[in-house]
Amino acid sequence: KNQVEQSPQSLIILEGKNCTLQCNYTVSPFSNLRWYKQDTGRGPVSLTIMTFSENTKSNGRYTATLDADTKQSSLHITASQLSDSASYICVVSFFNAGNNRKLIWGLGTSLAVNP
Amino acid sequence: NAGVTQTPKFQVLKTGQSMTLQCAQDMNHNSMYWYRQDPGMGLRLIYYSASEGTTDKGEVPNGYNVSRLNKREFSLRLESAAPSQTSVYFCASSEAIHNLNNSPLHFGNGTRLTVT
Repeated sequence: KNQVEQSPQSLIILEGKNCTLQCNYTVSPFSNLRWYKQDTGRGPVSLTIMTFSENTKSNGRYTATLDADTKQSSLHITASQLSDSASYICVVSFFNAGNNRKLIWGLGTSLAVNP
Repeated sequence: NAGVTQTPKFQVLKTGQSMTLQCAQDMNHNSMYWYRQDPGMGLRLIYYSASEGTTDKGEVPNGYNVSRLNKREFSLRLESAAPSQTSVYFCASSEAIHNLNNSPLHFGNGTRLTVT
């Protein structure tokens, strides 16, 4: 069964600290993996996309990694800010039996950054 | 640019009432989507429109209908609302449904619907 699991479910850190969020998937055949940030009361916003051949990609203070062999991805946030408080959702794209692209959404990690 | 605009932001319905959620995008995107988001569940696709003039069912289409009015607008209709349809509804758009490598989903800010 195609699944995306994220950990931890929630996380509280102090402003200025680093943190790492995890995403494990059992989706096959894999196409790509994208991280979204969802602020409270808003829609998700794309942070970065990882394709099969990419291991690491940075977007400002956000760094995503992908290990396609172990089917794991992580999102590392450096020097956290209060505005990083949000839910971070991992989404994996794959091709179904009809060769149509489908998305499997994780449940997200809720991050709270405290002053 | 406004991006993806959804109306209304909040709505309370009684069981059996009907309503239409409106969505418009100003990015000239070909594909549009309706999702629902519930606590403890990932975003679930209700319906999508790969291009103007086409609509297809997603994972959870029962109880909903959609209309792709033109390239900009994609509406979601609840004909007879049920408490199980209490949720947050998100509209999204992308350049092309089959080009999701380079084309992320752009979401509106949601409609919070309560059915009593």
